[in-house]
Amino acid sequence: NAGVTQTPKFQVLKTGQSMTLQCAQDMNHEYMSWYRQDPGMGLRLIHYSVGAGITDQGEVPNGYNVSRSTTEDFPLRLLSAAPSQTSVYFCASSLRDRGAHGYTFGSGTRLTVV
Amino acid sequence: DAKTTQPPSMDCAEGRAANLPCNHSTISGNEYVYWYRQIHSQGPQYIIHGLKNNETNEMASLIITEDRKSSTLILPHATLRDTAVYYCIVSNSGGSNYKLTFGKGTLLTVNP
Repeated sequence: NAGVTQTPKFQVLKTGQSMTLQCAQDMNHEYMSWYRQDPGMGLRLIHYSVGAGITDQGEVPNGYNVSRSTTEDFPLRLLSAAPSQTSVYFCASSLRDRGAHGYTFGSGTRLTVV
Repeated sequence: DAKTTQPPSMDCAEGRAANLPCNHSTISGNEYVYWYRQIHSQGPQYIIHGLKNNETNEMASLIITEDRKSSTLILPHATLRDTAVYYCIVSNSGGSNYKLTFGKGTLLTVNP
């Protein structure tokens, strides 16, 4: 069991570039989420999904798109990167019947936009 | 979800119990208290959760006051590896509970 796998671990983008942060889980979890964490702050929810084909916005969705075509994968797309999107991004997944106490987090993607 | 208040930092000596407080005075009857921790910028890790009874697992104990307006996470014998940011989260654990709202948490530093 690999758990939640995020790629890449590090990325530097230029302003205006686009990219996709990958997240995959092999635990057959229904729930998947993307969070960002800025220095000295807690995690803030960007987008989440309760199952394949279903996504919704979290607290800070602007500038990001998601899709959930399979149970396993939940990619996060940055459409036109801005310096304000410099952050650490975490993906998480959970079984529906475990909810908030069952979340498994990935190890994060550290993104710098210059 | 109810808001939580935690001290920004705490120190603890290695081998002693670490008691991390959390205030959640606006908690509603169907909301649970969850604790996660984040070690050195890794992804957060679930520790324990409870509704109104005290809970214990292999990692920690959770003490919830009778009025449920506050709680304390107890690490009985803290080690250096317990140095981390600890997050207290209040959320409804119903079928629609898939969103965790993190505050800034408490940075626990365990000293040798």
